[in-house]
Amino acid sequence: SQQGEEDPQALSIQEGENATMNCSYKTSINNLQWYRQNSGRGLVHLILIRSNEREKHSGRLRVTLDTSKKSSSLLITASRAADTASYFCATVPFSGGYNKLIFGAGTRLAVHP
Amino acid sequence: GAGVSQTPSNKVTEKGKYVELRCDPISGHTALYWYRQSLGQGPEFLIYFQGTGAADDSGLPNDRFFAVRPEGSVSTLKIQRTERGDSAVYLCASSLIQAGGSGGYQETQYFGPGTRLLVL
Repeated sequence: SQQGEEDPQALSIQEGENATMNCSYKTSINNLQWYRQNSGRGLVHLILIRSNEREKHSGRLRVTLDTSKKSSSLLITASRAADTASYFCATVPFSGGYNKLIFGAGTRLAVHP
Repeated sequence: GAGVSQTPSNKVTEKGKYVELRCDPISGHTALYWYRQSLGQGPEFLIYFQGTGAADDSGLPNDRFFAVRPEGSVSTLKIQRTERGDSAVYLCASSLIQAGGSGGYQETQYFGPGTRLLVL
């Protein structure tokens, strides 16, 4: 079973707009990671945020983490058609001792030119 | 540099057959993970290797599934008596374990392109 839940399940926007995806999880975590997947194949790591961090930036990506609400958000600014993909949040349980990733079901983002 | 590679990229088999899926991790990565992803879902953890040993195989769905990593590098996921429900994309990931703060681990997993298994 998967721990995370992404919201929305699908998102369709125009190029240049911002895209916001949310993730909720159930148990205490060590860190939370966001991945991108094109065409149902390999996942690409985007960003990792630790449980004691609240916000992190990487290029056009901004991730927030609220451990009190057990939620995270991924913001992609000034979206491009090339950002079209599925985005997954994945949590590392606090007691795991290693990075066993627990994925959500993902958000399918479509960016139209 | 070379990333994680997986072979074959696609595998079609018949119900009841035996299949082997191979993962070649990034050189020097001690940790190796297998995940399974069904259509429209996120990946689900199957098994984790630290070196040659399976440190956690709690995600393997049943005893038809088995994985090995005899020399601490290449890993093979083996599925016996395949069933139609085994159809999925099987993903492999590798990483360098680095100790982080608070006794936890913070490291990036690098995923291969996956093997798409179809059981007819």
